[in-house]
Formats: sequence, C-alpha cells, structure tokens
Amino acid sequence: DSGVTQTPKHLITATGQRVTLRCSPRSGDLSVYWYQQSLDQGLQFLIQYYNGEERAKGNILERFSAQQFPDLHSELNLSSLELGDSALYFCASSVSTGVDTQYFGPGTRLTVL
Amino acid sequence: AQSVTQPDIHITVSEGASLELRCNYSYGATPYLFWYVQSPGQGLQLLLKYFSGDTLVQGIKGFEAEFKRSQSSFNLRKPSVHWSDAAEYFCAWGYGNQGGKLIFGQGTELSVKP
Repeated sequence: DSGVTQTPKHLITATGQRVTLRCSPRSGDLSVYWYQQSLDQGLQFLIQYYNGEERAKGNILERFSAQQFPDLHSELNLSSLELGDSALYFCASSVSTGVDTQYFGPGTRLTVL
Repeated sequence: AQSVTQPDIHITVSEGASLELRCNYSYGATPYLFWYVQSPGQGLQLLLKYFSGDTLVQGIKGFEAEFKRSQSSFNLRKPSVHWSDAAEYFCAWGYGNQGGKLIFGQGTELSVKP
C-alpha cells in the first residue's frame, strides 16, 4: 500500500459525458501528479500540482483539467469524453516540487462506451 | 525530444535464471532515473532510483541497476528470478527543470517459466 488513494476504482460512462477522478496523496506529500496509461500511448504524464499550484504540464488535452485543493487532494476532470479516453488513470504523490520518488495510487480504470 | 527506450517488449526467463532488462534514455545531461514495477491490476511500485553518486544502485526485492553515462543506459538486473517477479517493468527519466515530470519507457513484460 503506497498510501495514495484513488476513487473510484472503475468508471464506465458514455461518450460526451463528464467524469471526475479523485486522488488523496500520502500524508505529508505536497505534489500530486496525474498519468494516463493506455495500450497505444503507454504511460503519459498529464499534469503536476504542488501545494495547490500547477507546476508542470504534459500532454493533457484541453477537455481535461485538474486542480489541487487546500487539503492537498486533487481531482482530474475529463469532459466531452471520447472512446479514446478509455485508459487507466494514475495519481502519484511526492514530497517535493522537483524530481523525487513518486508513490502511485492503484489507479482508476475509465471505460468510455 | 527526451525519451526513454525499453527495447524488449516481452522477456521470458526460467525461474532461478538471471535477468537483465534494458533501458536507454536520450538526453545529454545527467538524468534522474527510476525503475518501477507494475503487477496486474496494481499501481506502480518503485524498485530503485539513481540521482547521483555510485552508479550501481541497489533496490528492493534483490534488484540492482547500473547507470552508464557513456551508453546512456540504466539496465535493471537480478541474479536469480522468482516466479513472483512476473510483472511489467518500467524505466523512467526525470529532469530537474521540468518539475517532477517523469517520462516512462514503453515497459517490458516479464514472464517466468517454472
């Protein structure tokens, strides 16, 4: 158990819909990261927040957005969903803002039908 | 663009045999390097990391990796594989001026024969 929690574990929805994935970091970690894992793209970095502020951005679509709240939990919002958004979404956390050991949650498996 | 290459998509070894998983990165400066393992249906677990210093690093579960700057490589090794090592292994690269962002290789799936 990494100490990072993600909810829900599975999510099935339809194209065009909007979903919210939630992540709680390990106690004491200030950075939260979101990654997308799919068969064709592999593990791709989406975005990093550090203590509520956006710190780094990767290949995140404009239909996707994230935020980190004062209690340090984070949400990833995915809207206007397409079939190709079906993937495993991981949250990770670390202590610092720079490169550091990242602890991964169990992931949320999103299926878009 | 920065990238991490794991040339072997799938490797099968016999239980008790030695293992080497290859990883190459494409960036000139000294990177921060990681190996993670993912078991089916699980998140990623850190095996080991290299930031600086001794180029041979020891990790959990009997794994080690060696950073070779001249070859831009960070190969993972284990002297004797156990059936429980069957999983997918990911090499990852981070660079300090891009926050904590990690770039992952495509992964190597390890199967272990009894």
